[in-house]
Amino acid sequence: GAVVSQHPSRVICKSGTSVKIECRSLDFQATTMFWYRQFPKQSLMLMATSNEGSKATYEQGVEKDKFLINHASLTLSTLTVTSAHPEDSSFYICSAKQGGTEAFFGQGTRLTVV
Amino acid sequence: AQSVAQPEDQVNVAEGNPLTVKCTYSVSGNPYLFWYVQYPNRGLQFLLKYITGDNLVKGSYGFEAEFNKSQTSFHLKKPSALVSDSALYFCAVSEAAGNKLTFGGGTRVLVKP
Repeated sequence: GAVVSQHPSRVICKSGTSVKIECRSLDFQATTMFWYRQFPKQSLMLMATSNEGSKATYEQGVEKDKFLINHASLTLSTLTVTSAHPEDSSFYICSAKQGGTEAFFGQGTRLTVV
Repeated sequence: AQSVAQPEDQVNVAEGNPLTVKCTYSVSGNPYLFWYVQYPNRGLQFLLKYITGDNLVKGSYGFEAEFNKSQTSFHLKKPSALVSDSALYFCAVSEAAGNKLTFGGGTRVLVKP
C-alpha cells in the first residue's frame, strides 16, 4: 500500500532556530502534498497545499514566510519552521496523494520549541 | 465551503458492545467522506471511505460506516468494540477525491474491559 514517511518523528529545538521536517512518499509519486498542524486534543488544521514544482498554497492565517514549504520532487516535500518560538510547538502531519486518488498520511512530527 | 461536525467529544463503551461515532457533513457538491483513526503521537490511519455506490461501506479492523444523504451523516460503527479500538477518530470530507480534506473535531473513543 501507499506509504508516507515523516522525519523526524520528534524534534526539540531552541527558540530562534529553524527546523526542517521531511515528508516522503515511499512507493508512489506524490503530485500533491498537504501539511497539517494539530494542537493538543484538537483536530487537524490544514496549513498549506504543495504541488510538485510550484509554490505552495497557504491557508488563510498561515504565515508563508514562517512556514516554508518546498516540494522539489515527486517524492519529497519539506516544511521548515523558521525562527521557531514556543508557540510553534505542535504536532505536524503531512499527507500525500497521486493524481486524483485519496491522500495518505505520515506518522507526524512532534515539534517542541524550548 | 465544506465542514464536518462530530458532536461527541468522547464516547465510552464496554468491550464487546456496539460502537457508534457520529459525523455530519456539509459540502456543496457530492461528498467524498473518510474516517481516520489516530493513536497517541501518531499520524492518521485510514479506516474507510465513501465515494459512490453502496451506502454501507466496510473498512479496516471491522469498522463500517453508513452514508445517509438525506441526513448528511456518515456515522462510523463497529458491532463489537475492542479495548484496542480506544483512540481518537476523525471524520473528514472533501469535494473531490484527493482534494484537501476538512476534518471534524475528533471523537475520543474509550473502550473499557
